Amino acid sequence: SQKIEQNSEALNIQEGKTATLTCNYTNYSPAYLQWYRQDPGRGPVFLLLIRENEKEKRKERLKVTFDTTLKQSLFHITASQPADSATYLCALTNTGTASKLTFGTGTRLQVTL
Amino acid sequence: DAGVIQSPRHEVTEMGQEVTLRCKPISGHNSLFWYRQTMMRGLELLIYFNNNVPIDDSGMPEDRFSAKMPNASFSTLKIQPSEPRDSAVYFCASGEGHGRPQFFGPGTRLTVL
Repeated sequence: SQKIEQNSEALNIQEGKTATLTCNYTNYSPAYLQWYRQDPGRGPVFLLLIRENEKEKRKERLKVTFDTTLKQSLFHITASQPADSATYLCALTNTGTASKLTFGTGTRLQVTL
Repeated sequence: DAGVIQSPRHEVTEMGQEVTLRCKPISGHNSLFWYRQTMMRGLELLIYFNNNVPIDDSGMPEDRFSAKMPNASFSTLKIQPSEPRDSAVYFCASGEGHGRPQFFGPGTRLTVL
């Protein structure tokens, strides 16, 4: 069966450290993989998109890697700040499914002082 | 741009009643998505439209759910009759399709008593 797995346990890190979140998938051939941020009581907000033929994408303090052999994406936040505390969702578009986006269950990140 | 607009923000109704959720996508976006989010099941795609045409409704739980998009600037999701297990946050999102980022509305929190 198809699965998109993210660590369900919260990730607690200290301010200034790098946070690394993992997204693993099974039985998908993703054409695109995206990361979203969701704050309590709000809708998800798009952060980064990476295509199947790309290994890495960066935006300011954010970096995403995509390894189609390992079937895994890593999402890094460098120099983390308390304002980065939120739930982070990975989502993928399977090849041939055009616009359809399937989300993982998300990982809650808590950055403490 | 005002972003994706959803109404109502909160809805409390009794079992058996009809519920209609409304969405106005971002102008110029040709894809519209309806999602449901619960603690147990995460964010699930219910149905999506491209150019006002329903493309994939495989996520619609049962015949009690229906969605329409009469024009490019308006969509509805209707539940009739509603049941307590329909209680969830319902998000509408819009985008330019083909794996591109999606932009979410603030959601409608539905409680069915």
